[in-house]
Amino acid sequence: KQEVTQIPAALSVPEGENLVLNCSFTDSAIYNLQWFRQDPGKGLTSLLLIQSSQREQTSGRLNASLDKSSGRSTLYIAASQPGDSATYLCAVPPSDSGGSNYKLTFGKGTLLTVNP
Amino acid sequence: DGGITQSPKYLFRKEGQNVTLSCEQNLNHDAMYWYRQDPGQGLRLIYYSQIVNDFQKGDIAEGYSVSREKKESFPLTVTSAQKNPTAFYLCASSKRGGNEQFFGPGTRLTVL
Repeated sequence: KQEVTQIPAALSVPEGENLVLNCSFTDSAIYNLQWFRQDPGKGLTSLLLIQSSQREQTSGRLNASLDKSSGRSTLYIAASQPGDSATYLCAVPPSDSGGSNYKLTFGKGTLLTVNP
Repeated sequence: DGGITQSPKYLFRKEGQNVTLSCEQNLNHDAMYWYRQDPGQGLRLIYYSQIVNDFQKGDIAEGYSVSREKKESFPLTVTSAQKNPTAFYLCASSKRGGNEQFFGPGTRLTVL
């Protein structure tokens, strides 16, 4: 059974700092990995979807990398801002999904606080 | 604007009552999902539907029921058989194959 771990559970940084959030998964035979952002009391916002054939995916100040062999993904946030404060979650499909994402397994998330 | 709507935003239920949470999407997505989120836990899949008139149980389906009569709608009923229903419920949708899931704003259910 796929398990997803996100470390650290919480992170507090000063504004302007570059930071890395980590996501690890136990079964490396995944087709893709998705990063989400969740603000308190809100739904999830999709940030990046990185396919297994890709090593990196970028959107603005966000960069996600995927290393299947080590079972790890990182989300890099450049020049952090107070508006980046939120919980960041990663999710992967089952390794036997055949490329479909119907049954995602989520990590518990990293709560990021960016202090002005 | 395309998106997913959930209603109500807050819902209070007395013990022993069934309640239904609404989820509507206008993204023309084939697949829809229901998740439950509890403090300190990741999202857990309750039910999902790949196509109209078909749905499958997720990891924690006991005490819940769904229907998928229309492509745009995937209501979730929390029955009295669900012993601990207080949670934040999230609906999502995706294109066929579920490559990328998109989420609604959520419904917070509290049992009084």
